[in-house]
Formats: sequence, structure tokens, C-alpha cells
Amino acid sequence: AQKITQTQPGMFVQEKEAVTLDCTYDTSDPSYGLFWYKQPSSGEMIFLIYQGSYDQQNATEGRYSLNFQKARKSANLVISASQLGDSAMYFCAMSAYYGNNRLAFGKGNQVVVIP
Amino acid sequence: NAGVTQTPKFRVLKTGQSMTLLCAQDMNHEYMYWYRQDPGMGLRLIHYSVGEGTTAKGEVPDGYNVSRLKKQNFLLGLESAAPSQTSVYFCASSGPLDRGYTFGSGTRLTVV
Repeated sequence: AQKITQTQPGMFVQEKEAVTLDCTYDTSDPSYGLFWYKQPSSGEMIFLIYQGSYDQQNATEGRYSLNFQKARKSANLVISASQLGDSAMYFCAMSAYYGNNRLAFGKGNQVVVIP
Repeated sequence: NAGVTQTPKFRVLKTGQSMTLLCAQDMNHEYMYWYRQDPGMGLRLIHYSVGEGTTAKGEVPDGYNVSRLKKQNFLLGLESAAPSQTSVYFCASSGPLDRGYTFGSGTRLTVV
């Protein structure tokens, strides 16, 4: 079974600054994927970024990057140059490669970007 | 637009009533999922399907049933609603793992 831990309290970040959201995970599967999703106040779930456990380089998607530290079982999301539209709840998730793509989600991090 | 469509978006049920949540996807995805989201709990998997005619239990399946008679549709049923089933329900589908899920817009269900 996979377990995702997101323990940061709600965060306030100044517009144009970078913010790092912490995520640690626990799994016995040798091959897995790590994901981040964004949920704005409107409620929809938006896929942001994916990192495979065997990927040598950290994933990047525009202003999002995933700081993957396999030995520490850590998959932190970095949002650079924060914008007001980044205010949202952010969820870390993982899936075993042979787990029918089932995702296990963390409890989320709330981010509020202030002008 | 291609994606996942959930109906209804809102529903209020009385305890003991039944209902079916509908989910349709037009991306030809094999995998489909039903999650519930409760405050402070993240998303928890109720049931999932790896293809037409197949279903399997997730983390919190009790009180729910599902069916996948057609590849594009995944139905979630509540036979006898309970207040503990008050939640936001999300349907999702997925193709290749590295593309992530495509989620529906959610159904907010209140059981009184």
C-alpha cells in the first residue's frame, strides 16, 4: 500500500516569489509514479506534473518543477514566480506502475498568493 | 471539448434514498475511477474499473456499487444513502500513467 504525507499548514506566498510544497511518500513497490494536482476554489482537479521513479532528471512543466529525492522518499513541488491564480489546494499523489493506475492522494496543502 | 462529464453536479438526498451518479468519458480510456473528497481527508478511492465489464473495490467501497457496461460510462450507485456519504464525488479516467488522470467536475452530494 502507498501512503502520501503532506503536513504543511496553509501557506501565504507573495506574488512573484517561489513556493515549495512538501510531500513524502512510503511504498514497497519498486516502480511508481508521483503526481501533483491543483484544486482551485472552483473545485476542479487539474493535473500539473508527473515524475517516474526511474527518471534520472527532475520533472518540469512550465513554472512547476518536482524536486524528487528517491532515497528520502520525497517529491516536493516548486512553483516559481507565483501568480494570484496559483491560489489553490495542491495534492500530491502516487501510483504503482502495476497498480492499475490507482492513485493514492495526500491530504493537500493550501496555498494563498497575496499581491 | 474532450473530457469527463459527471451528472448531476448537485444533489440532496434523504437518508435511505437511492441514486446513481453518472460518469462519461470520450477519450477511449480503459481505466475509470470514483473518488470521494471530504474536508481534510484528500481523495479516497471508492471503486475503479480497468475495462468494460470489470469493476474492483478501492479504499472505501462500503455502501456503494458500480457498473461499467460500456467503456465510456462508469456508474456509481448508492442503494440506501446515509449522512456519512455526504461528500464531493469525483469521477476520473486515465490512459498512460504519465498523463495523469482527467477528472470530472465533481458531484456535491448532501444526505440529510
